[in-house]
Amino acid sequence: GENVEQHPSTLSVQEGDSAVIKCTYSDSASNYFPWYKQELGKGPQLIIDIRSNVGEKKDQRIAVTLNKTAKHFSLHITETQPEDSAVYFCAASGGGSQGNLIFGKGTKLSVKP
Amino acid sequence: KAGVTQTPRYLIKTRGQQVTLSCSPISGHRSVSWYQQTPGQGLQFLFEYFSETQRNKGNFPGRFSGRQFSNSRSEMNVSTLELGDSALYLCASSYPGQGYEQYFGPGTRLTVT
Repeated sequence: GENVEQHPSTLSVQEGDSAVIKCTYSDSASNYFPWYKQELGKGPQLIIDIRSNVGEKKDQRIAVTLNKTAKHFSLHITETQPEDSAVYFCAASGGGSQGNLIFGKGTKLSVKP
Repeated sequence: KAGVTQTPRYLIKTRGQQVTLSCSPISGHRSVSWYQQTPGQGLQFLFEYFSETQRNKGNFPGRFSGRQFSNSRSEMNVSTLELGDSALYLCASSYPGQGYEQYFGPGTRLTVT
């Protein structure tokens, strides 16, 4: 079935370093790839997304890249800050429908001051 | 603009009972999706509603059902509760035509004893 693999499951970096989280998806029909940040006790917050007709997208310290041929997409956070500490989820639209997201298992990012 | 609201925030039920959860989308959003989040299975898609019609359904048993009203508010119902139904139930709303970005509510924490 449709699947999204996410690595690593935990990531610890020093403040100011970069963090990279990678995902692989299985459904060739997927065309929308959002990233979410979830803090304790809260719902997931959309932080950036990318569509299949774009290879890279940036928003300040956050960037996402997509390789449709390899079915890989990645989240890059530069100049990390303690407030970036959270669980990050990648997702891919399932069955060609953007209303149905298939999520990765999450990456717990810890940024040490 | 107010975000997605979900009620109640916390719920404790006994095995065999049924439960109804409510979701009010962001004003103007017409699509509502429901997800179940557990430590073991992560975030899993339940169903999506648009204009009062179920558009997509995930791989959950028939005990899980939902509906959407003309004002786009949505409810989901779980009948004959099992211990394994204990989870955080998340609702997300989106506005077709604006890229289908899904915005999540804070969730309803359901505990089945």
